[in-house]
Amino acid sequence: DTAVSQTPKYLVTQMGNDKSIKCEQNLGHDTMYWYKQDSKKFLKIMFSYNNKELIINETVPNRFSPKSPDKAHLNLHINSLELGDSAVYFCASSQAGEGEKLFFGSGTQLSVL
Amino acid sequence: GEDVEQSLFLSVREGDSSVINCTYTDSSSTYLYWYKQEPGAGLQLLTYIFSNMDMKQDQRLTVLLNKKDKHLSLRIADTQTGDSAIYFCAESGRTGGFKTIFGAGTRLFVKA
Repeated sequence: DTAVSQTPKYLVTQMGNDKSIKCEQNLGHDTMYWYKQDSKKFLKIMFSYNNKELIINETVPNRFSPKSPDKAHLNLHINSLELGDSAVYFCASSQAGEGEKLFFGSGTQLSVL
Repeated sequence: GEDVEQSLFLSVREGDSSVINCTYTDSSSTYLYWYKQEPGAGLQLLTYIFSNMDMKQDQRLTVLLNKKDKHLSLRIADTQTGDSAIYFCAESGRTGGFKTIFGAGTRLFVKA
């Protein structure tokens, strides 16, 4: 029973394509996130949703569009992929009021060729 | 903005203690965390400490917080080869809008 699951695990695509990454959590948490980890392992928050509402939107290109159909799902759609988008993308969830203890998915390795 | 800094590498022998250090800048930090990332996996919360605590112990893990110096450390007793991973220090506080800010990670190598 995976707590935070994201698909696909690997995504290899050409520049200019559009792709989506899906995330689901079965922990009953009310907050979900997308983080980007670069090749040096530096981790940076991209978006955060609380009960389907966007609460954090960092300075991310508008080619990245998150969508939360319900509080258990947070998907990430990326338009017009660029070489610099290559990274590992992590979905995470937490429950408000519990010190933002984050539960992470296993990551999606995106490679843009 | 708020910043979290930690050394990039640490190498220890199996059975020794490991101490990973971290400094942060947010004086309003409420929680401080240690996460572990193994190859090909997501981050896993190891332990956390509330800002009004000085120390927390959990089996082989000891967290020390010096709030005056904004210094956090993680001690792993009797380090095992399975402890080899990247360890991330993180904090969340009012100044940063309660977003979790991560350090760059410390790569722990455990030699048999």
